[in-house]
Amino acid sequence: GAGVSQSPSNKVTEKGKDVELRCDPISGHTALYWYRQRLGQGLEFLIYFQGNSAPDKSGLPSDRFSAERTGESVSTLTIQRTQQEDSAVYLCASSITTSGGTDTQYFGPGTRLTVL
Amino acid sequence: AQSVTQLGSHVSVSEGALVLLRCNYSSSVPPYLFWYVQYPNQGLQLLLKYTSAATLVKGINGFEAEFKKSETSFHLTKPSAHMSDAAEYFCAVSVVSYDKVIFGPGTSLSVIP
Repeated sequence: GAGVSQSPSNKVTEKGKDVELRCDPISGHTALYWYRQRLGQGLEFLIYFQGNSAPDKSGLPSDRFSAERTGESVSTLTIQRTQQEDSAVYLCASSITTSGGTDTQYFGPGTRLTVL
Repeated sequence: AQSVTQLGSHVSVSEGALVLLRCNYSSSVPPYLFWYVQYPNQGLQLLLKYTSAATLVKGINGFEAEFKKSETSFHLTKPSAHMSDAAEYFCAVSVVSYDKVIFGPGTSLSVIP
């Protein structure tokens, strides 16, 4: 079956513009994560959606970042007034877990964001 | 809150030599532990995971990891390195009651012919 897909694969934008990144999780996966990976660095947790529960937004770096998820399907990560420091690969992952983070995460290919 | 450290951001081994990538965790409750691998220009994929069953966990491509509670460690090993093992390796921890998975900073493995 299809894996996690993300679009666009690459996004170049000017400082101050808003961008929207999309993630399509694997069908039936109740959990969805967004991570940021700066060049040569590890994965930085941003936000976590689990079913109909309130999302865990504890990793969002500022109020310029927001994310939404419709039910158990598509999620969008929005970055307003982009800054050069936002340049990174944004990764989405989904998993089937319903009771805690014990299940395998399946990662998308990422969106490479470059802010000029 | 849980956290993960990985000793050594870069590790180089000769082809055929032992691979040892270190991971230590911090958690107030029994953790679930994962190793993910990111091959060049590819997405992350799971290597193996520990979920409170056997302490020695075997994964794909000949890798294994041992959970040692007394040392709060979950080191990744492979007896004989292949060139194809060159990649970025991430250790991650999760706690049931918190759900989210926290990743370590990663270790870049180079294999020298």
